[in-house]
Amino acid sequence: GDSVTQMEGPVTLSEEAFLTINCTYTATGYPSLFWYVQYPGEGLQLLLKATKADDKGSNKGFEATYRKETTSFHLEKGSVQVSDSAVYFCALSATNQAGTALIFGKGTTLSVSS
Amino acid sequence: NAGVMQNPRHLVRRRGQEARLRCSPMKGHSHVYWYRQLPEEGLKFMVYLQKENIIDESGMPKERFSAEFPKEGPSILRIQQVVRGDSAAYFCASSPRAGGRHGELFFGEGSRLTVL
Repeated sequence: GDSVTQMEGPVTLSEEAFLTINCTYTATGYPSLFWYVQYPGEGLQLLLKATKADDKGSNKGFEATYRKETTSFHLEKGSVQVSDSAVYFCALSATNQAGTALIFGKGTTLSVSS
Repeated sequence: NAGVMQNPRHLVRRRGQEARLRCSPMKGHSHVYWYRQLPEEGLKFMVYLQKENIIDESGMPKERFSAEFPKEGPSILRIQQVVRGDSAAYFCASSPRAGGRHGELFFGEGSRLTVL
């Protein structure tokens, strides 16, 4: 079945460091891909998305490019802030299942110190 | 515009009791999803409902768990005869249309169930 694999955390960085969180997927068809973020004590929020190959999603300085050839959707940010500390989830939604919910990775915890 | 509302935020039950978790979707949303978040396991899909219909319950345990989304009122996730392994955070999400490729789900803040 469809699945998402994320790099294991936690990821610990200093403020202004470069961030990469790896995400690869397995899916039949051509899924849409998403990054969600969960701040402490809150629900998940959509961070960015891409619906077809080579699309780049971006928001709040974060970027991710849909790479069909490597089945990847790695999350990057050039300069992280303490406020970026959260859990980040990669997710996919298959295009041939109109009513199916998103499938999430296990999440990667990011901790940024000043 | 209120977001997805879940209650209770925290629930403590003893083994064998019943737990009921409620979710009111965002205004105008008729699609509701329930997820369970266990420590070290991430977010697992449980069930997807539209008003009065269960669309996909492939992630629901076969016994003790049930969900409904009536014509009027919130969606309810019901866990009968709870066991310690049911302790988790249960998240509800809603969307204005089927998940599909559009995929943006709006999540509530979760209900944290602790089974003693």
